[in-house]
Amino acid sequence: GAVVSQHPSWVICKSGTSVKIECRSLDFQATTMFWYRQFPKQSLMLMATSNEGSKATYEQGVEKDKFLINHASLTLSTLTVTSAHPEDSSFYICSARDHGRAYEQYFGPGTRLTVT
Amino acid sequence: DQQVKQNSPSLSVQEGRISILNCDYTNSMFDYFLWYKKYPAEGPTFLISISSIKDKNEDGRFTVFLNKSAKHLSLHIVPSQPGDSAVYFCATFSGGYNKLIFGAGTRLAVHP
Repeated sequence: GAVVSQHPSWVICKSGTSVKIECRSLDFQATTMFWYRQFPKQSLMLMATSNEGSKATYEQGVEKDKFLINHASLTLSTLTVTSAHPEDSSFYICSARDHGRAYEQYFGPGTRLTVT
Repeated sequence: DQQVKQNSPSLSVQEGRISILNCDYTNSMFDYFLWYKKYPAEGPTFLISISSIKDKNEDGRFTVFLNKSAKHLSLHIVPSQPGDSAVYFCATFSGGYNKLIFGAGTRLAVHP
C-alpha cells in the first residue's frame, strides 16, 4: 500500500514552454501533498505544500507564479513549471500524506526535468 | 543555515560489517526524526523513525539511536548488504508536521 506515482518520469522541453507534472496517490487519499526539488548531489528542498481544494503554501524563495500547483482531488496534485528556463532543470519529487497519519509521507519516484 | 546536518557525504563499508550513519540537528524542539533511503532517479523510501521520547528504535537490521543531549542521531545497519548501497537522508519536521527538512545525505557503498 501507500504508493505514489508521478508522470512523466522524465521530460525535456524548450525554454519558454510550460511543463505539467502529475502526482497521484494510488491506494490512499491524500489530503496533503508536497512538492520537493533536488539538485544534483544535494538534499531535497520543500517547494510547496498543497491541501486538497485550497491554495498551495509556498516556501520562501519559491515563485508561486512560476510553479503553479493544483490539488483538485484527494488523489491528484499537479505542478506546472511555467515559462521554463534552463535553471529550472532539476529532479522534482512529490510526496503525499495519508489522511490520519501525521508523520508519514510517501514519496513518488520523481520527475527529471531538462530545459534546453 | 542547515538545521539538520549530515557531515559525512560518503561512507564505504564491507559487506557483513556495520554501517553507522550520523546526523546532527540544531533545534532541541525537534521531536520526531526519520531516515530515508534513496536510489538514483527515484524518490526516497521511508526506513525507520524515532520519537524524542525514545532513545532507540529497532527494525530488523536497522536501528536508530537518539541522543537528545548531544542533538545527535545515528542509523546503524547490521549486517550491511550490497543492496543497502544508496543515499541515506535523515529528516525531521519543522513548524508542525507539514514541513520535512532533510539533511544533505550520506552516500553509503557496501562492497563485497
